[in-house]
Amino acid sequence: GENVEQHPSTLSVQEGDSAVIKCTYSDSASNYFPWYKQELGKRPQLIIDIRSNVGEKKDQRIAVTLNKTAKHFSLHITETQPEDSAVYFCAASNHGGSQGNLIFGKGTKLSVKP
Amino acid sequence: GAGVSQSPRYKVAKRGQDVALRCDPISGHVSLFWYQQALGQGPEFLTYFQNEAQLDKSGLPSDRFFAERPEGSVSTLKIQRTQQEDSAVYLCASSPRTGSVGEQYFGPGTRLTVT
Repeated sequence: GENVEQHPSTLSVQEGDSAVIKCTYSDSASNYFPWYKQELGKRPQLIIDIRSNVGEKKDQRIAVTLNKTAKHFSLHITETQPEDSAVYFCAASNHGGSQGNLIFGKGTKLSVKP
Repeated sequence: GAGVSQSPRYKVAKRGQDVALRCDPISGHVSLFWYQQALGQGPEFLTYFQNEAQLDKSGLPSDRFFAERPEGSVSTLKIQRTQQEDSAVYLCASSPRTGSVGEQYFGPGTRLTVT
């Protein structure tokens, strides 16, 4: 089955700097890669996603890149702000199947210091 | 509009008790998923419904776990004879599509503590 590895487990940056979180996946059939932000005690919130027919997607300060050959994808946050502090999870899914359940990484705790 | 809701938000059960956790998906969402999130970990898949049909229950950790969605809307996850290792946050997610499933929207979760 699919396995998703996520690095780093913790990341501390100064406000205004960029943050990069990387994930690798094992199943070449996976074709949908969402990123979720989870604040303490809150629900995971979808912040951006990418499908395997696209190499990069941007939404304001957030961008995701996908390298299908290497089976890795990354989240880039520019001009970080204290409110970006949270745990970020990457996930992978095979949308060619009938289920599409997500396989999550273990998460990255991002701290943005003012 | 209203998002996914779950109840109760917190549940404390003595070991051996049965519990029932409820999920109200976004109205009209066909797909519904249950995940288990242990402390400091990512969510792990438990089971999936397409309308009222349970198409995948491969993630349920034991036969003490049972889920249903009888009318294709509200779902209930039941855990019988709870054990300490069942302590976790149980998340429900819904999605508007089937087959090539799209975005999943999560509820706030139910934090279950088994003492």
